[in-house]
Amino acid sequence: DTGVSQNPRHKITKRGQNVTFRCDPISEHNRLYWYRQTLGQGPEFLTYFQNEAQLEKSRLLSDRFSAERPKGSFSTLEIQRTEQGDSAMYLCASSLAGTVYGYTFGSGTRLTVV
Amino acid sequence: GEDVEQSLFLSVREGDSSVINCTYTDSSSTYLYWYKQEPGAGLQLLTYIFSNMDMKQDQRLTVLLNKKDKHLSLRIADTQTGDSAIYFCAPGDGGSQGNLIFGKGTKLSVKP
Repeated sequence: DTGVSQNPRHKITKRGQNVTFRCDPISEHNRLYWYRQTLGQGPEFLTYFQNEAQLEKSRLLSDRFSAERPKGSFSTLEIQRTEQGDSAMYLCASSLAGTVYGYTFGSGTRLTVV
Repeated sequence: GEDVEQSLFLSVREGDSSVINCTYTDSSSTYLYWYKQEPGAGLQLLTYIFSNMDMKQDQRLTVLLNKKDKHLSLRIADTQTGDSAIYFCAPGDGGSQGNLIFGKGTKLSVKP
């Protein structure tokens, strides 16, 4: 297992377009988290899944943001009608519920909205 | 909700010790984590401490926890230039609560 994988690494899109990011967690991890990080800030929690169930989504930034984890393995984060303020690094992390080892983060997807 | 505060910058000379401080508000955290982020990269777990401990040592890293004051610190002994990064503390409960809350991080600069 090579850790948490995020694709693409970089995405440049025009304002108003939709974008989708993918995260492949560590295979035995049942929890998956999405965070957003803007320049000079710490990661900001967006949502998380346990298996395929989305257990917290109230922190998603607007109704333009949605996430899925259909089979409890990989997850996608979609942003519709992107705005310049959506430009940020989107981080995915995974963990095994009930363990103390914290999260393993991916390298992130950097989104630039022009 | 949880609030995490850290000083934004720390500069030390190579070979000196670095101490990065963190205060938090949620006293129910079971585990408290330290993460390191290098430029353009994701976060790397450095170490963690269980809330019923007051100290944990892990090679060059020493974590001190003052639960009464909700204060966490990370000491890096013999700091090297490769330690230059942003360090985040993140109170959490190891997963059952659902999410870790991060502060803005402390940018550590190590001068040769």
